[in-house]
Amino acid sequence: AQTVTQSQPEMSVQEAETVTLSCTYDTSESDYYLFWYKQPPSRQMILVIRQEAYKQQNATENRFSVNFQKAAKSFSLKISDSQLGDAAMYFCAYSGGSNYKLTFGKGTLLTVNP
Amino acid sequence: DAGITQSPRHKVTETGTPVTLRCHQTENHRYMYWYRQDPGHGLRLIHYSYGVKDTDKGEVSDGYSVSRSKTEDFLLTLESATSSQTSVYFCAISDWGHMGTDTQYFGPGTRLTVL
Repeated sequence: AQTVTQSQPEMSVQEAETVTLSCTYDTSESDYYLFWYKQPPSRQMILVIRQEAYKQQNATENRFSVNFQKAAKSFSLKISDSQLGDAAMYFCAYSGGSNYKLTFGKGTLLTVNP
Repeated sequence: DAGITQSPRHKVTETGTPVTLRCHQTENHRYMYWYRQDPGHGLRLIHYSYGVKDTDKGEVSDGYSVSRSKTEDFLLTLESATSSQTSVYFCAISDWGHMGTDTQYFGPGTRLTVL
């Protein structure tokens, strides 16, 4: 079974600084997708970024980028120029091959200090 | 934002009563999912649907049933609510198989409290 591990229950960053959230996963699939979702206090799950495993190029979305290391099964999220609105719980998620479902990590709570 | 609504948004009920949560989408997506979110567990899949009348179990399906009679609606029923089913429930939709649309989009969630 696939598993997703987020080893940092909590992280903090100063406004305008850069922070990296870690995620590792375990799978025997060769083709899969990885996601980072953000959950602010409103509770809404918001897609931050997605990565297809067959693509070697790391995905980027404005201030958000990933470091995808397929051999190491690592998928970290880098947030540049952190803003107060980035404060949220961040979930790493995996979806593989013909498997329909998302497997989530337990989340990392990010605090942004002014 | 994907057109997904959930009702009710909050509910308090008593142990042993049946409860039905509704997810409604306006995107005509084929796949719909129900997850529950509990502290320390992230989100876990309860049931999912891959078409009208086509459903299957997820990893935490005991005590739950689902129905999908129309593309746009996916119902989650707690047959006899227990305190362990106190949670936040999320519906999600996706359209697997179409390039670039494998992403799941989530509804706003329903907070359920079972006393």
